[in-house]
Amino acid sequence: GAGVSQSPSNKVTEKGKDVELRCDPISGHTALYWYRQSLGQGLEFLIYFQGNSAPDKSGLPSDRFSAERTGGSVSTLTIQRTQQEDSAVYLCASSLRSSGSETQYFGPGTRLLVL
Amino acid sequence: RKEVEQDPGPFNVPEGATVAFNCTYSNSASQSFFWYRQDCRKEPKLLMSVYSSGNEDGRFTAQLNRASQYISLLIRDSKLSDSATYLCVVGDYSSASKIIFGSGTRLSIRP
Repeated sequence: GAGVSQSPSNKVTEKGKDVELRCDPISGHTALYWYRQSLGQGLEFLIYFQGNSAPDKSGLPSDRFSAERTGGSVSTLTIQRTQQEDSAVYLCASSLRSSGSETQYFGPGTRLLVL
Repeated sequence: RKEVEQDPGPFNVPEGATVAFNCTYSNSASQSFFWYRQDCRKEPKLLMSVYSSGNEDGRFTAQLNRASQYISLLIRDSKLSDSATYLCVVGDYSSASKIIFGSGTRLSIRP
C-alpha cells in the first residue's frame, strides 16, 4: 500500500501567519509521530498519537504549536503566529503500534520557510 | 550530555573501504536500538534494528554493547550509494515518546 504522505511538500509563509501541515499515515498504523528537523540538525520530537489521543505533548516547542488526529488516521499540525525560527522540515512518521520498539515509516516532510 | 550522541563526521572514505561509526546513549534503561539512513533532503528510512547478540544484513553489521552503552554500525566494501547520513535511534518499550534520534553521522564515499 501507499506510504506516509504529507502536504504541502513546501510552504512559504510570512511571519505571524498560521500554517497547517497534514499527515496521512500508513493505513492500519495506530501510532503517528511529528518531528522537526532544522537544516543540518537531528530530529526533534514534537508529539505522538496513539489512536486519536496524544499521551505526550511535552515536545511541542510552545503553545503556538498544536496537533490533532481524527478517525485514527489523518493528523494536522498547526503553527499559529509563525516565527522565523519555526522554519524547518516537519516530518511525520507512523508505526503499527506506539511502543518504543516499533519501526517508524516517515513521510517526505513539509519544508516550511517563514519569511 | 545528550541522550544519544554521534560523531557528526563527515567520514570521507574511498569506495571499497570498511567504515565504522559508534553511537553512545545515556539512558541505561533503553531497550530498543536502530540505525536509520537519511539521504540528502529525504526522509529517514530504517536501515536495521540492533539486537543484543549483534546482527548482520549483507555488508552491514550492527552491534550493541550494553555495558558501555553504545551501538555500532560497520559497513564493509562500501559503495558510492552508501553516501548518506546515518542516524542512531534509541528507544524504550514503555513509551513512543522516549524514542530518541541522534543527530547523525555523515558518510561520503568517493570513487
